[in-house]
Amino acid sequence: DQQVKQNSPSLSVQEGRISILNCDYTNSMFDYFLWYKKYPAEGPTFLISISSIKDKNEDGRFTVFLNKSAKHLSLHIVPSQPGDSAVYFCAASDNYGQNFVFGPGTRLSVLP
Amino acid sequence: GAGVSQSPSNKVTEKGKDVELRCDPISGHTALYWYRQSLGQGLEFLIYFQGNSAPDKSGLPSDRFSAERTGGSVSTLTIQRTQQEDSAVYLCASSRYYNEQFFGPGTRLTVL
Repeated sequence: DQQVKQNSPSLSVQEGRISILNCDYTNSMFDYFLWYKKYPAEGPTFLISISSIKDKNEDGRFTVFLNKSAKHLSLHIVPSQPGDSAVYFCAASDNYGQNFVFGPGTRLSVLP
Repeated sequence: GAGVSQSPSNKVTEKGKDVELRCDPISGHTALYWYRQSLGQGLEFLIYFQGNSAPDKSGLPSDRFSAERTGGSVSTLTIQRTQQEDSAVYLCASSRYYNEQFFGPGTRLTVL
């Protein structure tokens, strides 16, 4: 059973519009959440994170929202740019980092 | 270099042979993780090293897989008697703090 789910395998968005990537988790012990971006033939790179004590974290064009009661988080990218086209992984940990679980990823395509 | 490095970048082997994959973490990072990504799949956790503590091997898929980390730095992932289902990209990551990992470029393993 997947503990971290990303139910949309792919998403296409027009340049300049908002991209919203969703992630759901099942383990209530998770209290730290991260988003990674991965280009082909490269390792994932850290994008943004959020602790369970917050419900929003913003870094430039990237904002992560956390809804603990729904066990749901989302990544908003606005405005979307063609260079944002990549696979985005949601990840969750239990703060001791010993249970680090990744979702299956969502492939984002930003169309010029 | 400043990042996590992995070698080889590509490895093609015959079924039944043993392979060794190497990871050089970022200097000073105490935590080291191994993941694999099979075609079309998300990141699958394999093993986690933290300092001198016993590694968390809970993600290793079978006893053909083993890993060691010498001197708290370089790590080697060994797969014995490789099978075709072992074909994947093997990713190594290191972190200084528990929750932000820096990934290497990965080793693409193909078992014929």
